Formats: sequence, C-alpha cells, structure tokens
Amino acid sequence: DTGVSQDPRHKITKRGQNVTFRCDPISEHNRLYWYRQTLGQGPEFLTYFQNEAQLEKSRLLSDRFSAERPKGSFSTLEIQRTEQGDSAMYLCASCDLGDEQFFGPGTRLTVL
Amino acid sequence: DQQVKQNSPSLSVQEGRISILNCDYTNSMFDYFLWYKKYPAEGPTFLISISSIKDKNEDGRFTVFLNKSAKHLSLHIVPSQPGDSAVYFCAASARGTSYGKLTFGQGTILTVHP
Repeated sequence: DTGVSQDPRHKITKRGQNVTFRCDPISEHNRLYWYRQTLGQGPEFLTYFQNEAQLEKSRLLSDRFSAERPKGSFSTLEIQRTEQGDSAMYLCASCDLGDEQFFGPGTRLTVL
Repeated sequence: DQQVKQNSPSLSVQEGRISILNCDYTNSMFDYFLWYKKYPAEGPTFLISISSIKDKNEDGRFTVFLNKSAKHLSLHIVPSQPGDSAVYFCAASARGTSYGKLTFGQGTILTVHP
C-alpha cells in the first residue's frame, strides 16, 4: 500500500492557461473522489468515480472542469482557461468497500 | 449552506490534558461521521469514524461521541500530545444517497503546548 499520490504537488500558471492534474489511487480501490480546498475552509466535493464511470459531479464543477478515469485506475482533472478563483488545493481520495477515504497530498494551484 | 459546522476556529490545550473538538450538522440524511487530521502541506489523514447507529466509538486516545437528537458530535483526545497539533476536520456522509461523498466542516486548529 503506497498510498494515494498526486502530481504535480504545486502548479503556478497564468490566467487563461489550461492545467491538468493526475491522481493515482491506492491499487484495488475502485472509488475515487476529487475535492477542492480553499484557505480557511474544509475540502469541498467536486466529483466521484466508481471504476471508470463518473457517477456524480458537484455544481462547483463548471464546464471549464473535466475529469476522467479512463481505465478505472488513475484519474486526471483538467481546468481550461484558468481563472484566479481556481487557485486552491485540489485533493484526490480513494476508498474500497468501506467509508473511510484516503487522501493524497494534494496539488496546490496558483493562478496569477 | 454550511451543512457541517465547526464553530471553534482554534483550540489551545496543555500537554496531558483533554482536547475536545466539536462539530454540528444540519442534514438529517447524514448517517456516517468521520474525523480527519491535517498537517500543513499534506492531505487529510483519517482518524476515527462513527455510524449513526452508535453514540460512541473509541480508538486509543481518540473517542468520538454522537448525539443524533442534537445533531452534534465531538472528538475527545486524552491525553493530548504536542504531536496532535494540527487542523482537525469533521466530515459527514449520507451513505445511502450520495455515493459516499464527504461534506466537511471548516476545521479547528488544535495547538497542544508542552
């Protein structure tokens, strides 16, 4: 069990650019979640995958955001035409049959 | 709408004493509750959880109490240690309806002084 990993750990980009983050869940975990955390707040749910199927999306996930989990293993989160309001920590979590989600270290995005 | 609230932004405790962190929720559909600890530059780490069919769950120095009628839960840490200093998040899920997604409170910064 190597834990949930995320790449990159930090990303600085200019407004209007596209960015893509990757999450590698714990192997054999078929459930994968993306959350976003801003300063002084708890993580907020963005989207959920069960294997390769994206089953739920938050209204926070505007049409500039897209997430995939093509083979039911790793997942990517892409933000197009980034805005300063997208600056946040993006967290990925995975779990199996239980309810405890295991989080990665996060990707901190700064949009200038 | 803030469905999970942690009304104390911070808590300071002396080493060896009890730390009590509180959490309130409004959504009656929540039936599973979790506490996570977060250090700077790391993701949240799972601490302890409780199902709505119980009113107490204990794991070593950590005990979670659930009062469903008051929609309130608390985390007790006894004895507190300096290494417990971190941000603590309360989270809730409605397992039957929400694919297990977690709704988090704003967090409480715990500082344990030696």
